[in-house]
Parts: sequence; C-alpha cells; structure tokens
Amino acid sequence: DTGVSQDPRHKITKRGQNVTFRCDPISEHNRLYWYRQTLGQGPEFLTYFQNEAQLEKSRLLSDRFSAERPKGSFSTLEIQRTEQGDSAMYLCASRGLAGDDEQYFGPGTRLTVT
Amino acid sequence: GNSVTQMEGPVTLSEEAFLTINCTYTATGYPSLFWYVQYPGEGLQLLLKATKADDKGSNKGFEATYRKETTSFHLEKGSVQVSDSAVYFCALTPRAGSYQLTFGKGTKLSVIP
Repeated sequence: DTGVSQDPRHKITKRGQNVTFRCDPISEHNRLYWYRQTLGQGPEFLTYFQNEAQLEKSRLLSDRFSAERPKGSFSTLEIQRTEQGDSAMYLCASRGLAGDDEQYFGPGTRLTVT
Repeated sequence: GNSVTQMEGPVTLSEEAFLTINCTYTATGYPSLFWYVQYPGEGLQLLLKATKADDKGSNKGFEATYRKETTSFHLEKGSVQVSDSAVYFCALTPRAGSYQLTFGKGTKLSVIP
C-alpha cells in the first residue's frame, strides 16, 4: 500500500517564474486536497477535488494558482508569476470512502522563491 | 467559521515528564477532532482522532478526549520520550461538504534526556 506521493520534494525558483507540482494520491482514494503551510503555522486549505471535479476553492487560491485533476487520479498545482510570499510547503492529502473523515498526507513540496 | 486554538510553544520537557498540550475549537455542528504530528523532516501523520462527544482517541501512549461542553481536545501523555520531539497540530473537520481540515498553529515539543 503506497501512500500519497508528491513531486518534486523541493523547488527553488526565481520570482516571476511558473512552477508546477504533482500529487499522486492513494490509488483507491477519489478525494484529494491541497494545503499550504508557511513557517511556524498550521496547514491552510487551498482546494478540494472529488474525482476530477474541483468542488471547493479557498480565498487563498488567487488567480495565479490553478489546480487540476484531469483523470481523477493524480493532481497538479501550478503557480504562475511566483512571488516571494508564495514560499511555503505545499501539502497534498487524499481521502477515501464517503463516511471516512481521515486524510492521508504526502511529504509535501517545499517551494522557495528567490 | 471554524477555528482551532492551541497552546503556543515551544514546550521543553525532560524525559518521563507529563505532557499536556491544550486545544480548543470553534465550529458549527459536530466536528471530528484530530491530533497530527510532524517529526523533523517528515510529513504530517495522524496521531489520534475522536468523532463524537466524550470519545477518547489514543495512540502511542497519547490520549485526548472530545469535550463538547468546553469545546476542547487536549493532548496528554503520561511519560514523554526523546523520540516524541516533534510539532503537534490540533485540527477539526466539519464532517460535511469537503471535509476540509482546519488546523491550529502547532506546538513544538522538545524532550531532553
């Protein structure tokens, strides 16, 4: 049973560049979440997918951010025109059955914008 | 909206000391409550959870009881070990809609020999 995987684990980019992160959830999980965690803070919800449908987006998800889950399996999170304030750990989590409230987290992608 | 408040750290304890990390929440309805742990260099792991009032979650010697009357879910361990050094997050999910998690800011625990 493989867990949630994320790629890359670390990304350093210059301000203004675009970056894309990938998340592969647990294979039988149809629900997928993205969170952002800044230094010294708890994770904050960004967006939620059920299968391929993006059903909820936080106000934190500005128009420079876009997330997709085209076939209901892996998901990508793209940040366009990165800013220094985007530096954070981006976490992906997945959840399985409708009545199960437990989310399983990946190791995260640490983004540093210079 | 939903919110979680947990005691600020860092907390430094000697090995075998008693641990309490306070957590209170604000939520509508009947949320599920969680404690997650983040060891150095690792991802978030679920430590324990409780889904209804008076439930006690427990794991690895840690315990927390869902107290609806005080809207609290305090984490306790009777005797901490050096290996318990980590950041602990209290969280809730409303068990409706997206089931998104709302986290507290985290409490860093350091256990010294």
